[in-house]
Amino acid sequence: QSVLTQPPSVSGAPGQRVIISCTGSSSNIGAGYDVHWYQQFPGTAPKLLIYVNTNRPSGVPDRFSGSKSGTSASLAITGLQAEDEADYYCQSYDISRIGVFGTGTKVTVL
Amino acid sequence: QVTLKESGPALVKPTQTLTLTCTFSGFSLSTSGMRVSWIRQPPGKALEWLARIDWDDDEYYNTSLKTRLTISKDTSKNQVVLTMTNMEPVDTATYYCARSPSPVSYYMDVWGKGTTVTVSS
Repeated sequence: QSVLTQPPSVSGAPGQRVIISCTGSSSNIGAGYDVHWYQQFPGTAPKLLIYVNTNRPSGVPDRFSGSKSGTSASLAITGLQAEDEADYYCQSYDISRIGVFGTGTKVTVL
Repeated sequence: QVTLKESGPALVKPTQTLTLTCTFSGFSLSTSGMRVSWIRQPPGKALEWLARIDWDDDEYYNTSLKTRLTISKDTSKNQVVLTMTNMEPVDTATYYCARSPSPVSYYMDVWGKGTTVTVSS
């Protein structure tokens, strides 16, 4: 059902920078709709991490950053920490007026 | 403080209708720009957006599930209800409701903890 494609997994050593891509199409991200990112730990609800492409809610560390270009978006984690090990999902909107999520990416801290 | 809480049956039989209630506090769904969505997540799988209802009563549905879903709101009770007909084992999932506070974007800033629904005979 997911229409936004993410890599299944990314990994990095503590302190490294990792990037998670989110690829959509001309009917969602490419149509100009914003991209948002969520962090989810096992057994818990998703938490908003980045909204409207680049904005961090209060309390989210600045090592998390978002960007968007064309039909894709990216989430970067700079200075990876052990506590960042989680699943990450991108989300956008579609011209058919429905929400769409990414396939999800598991981040592993080596 | 904004909170949302999902409630409903933990177990339903195949072909039955599922009714889930999202009870929220800290905001009003009659406020311009406010929206509430339902999202589900099968075990070990990705999030799937299901439906949304807006402050102005507009309703939106996942294209693939549209014929089975109905979303409604009771502003006086601060509740949003989702019904899903003809449940199947593949509908086994954790179901979440979440708030979208922006009239111009569709991010979900506060989520409920979710309710787990198993479909089995």
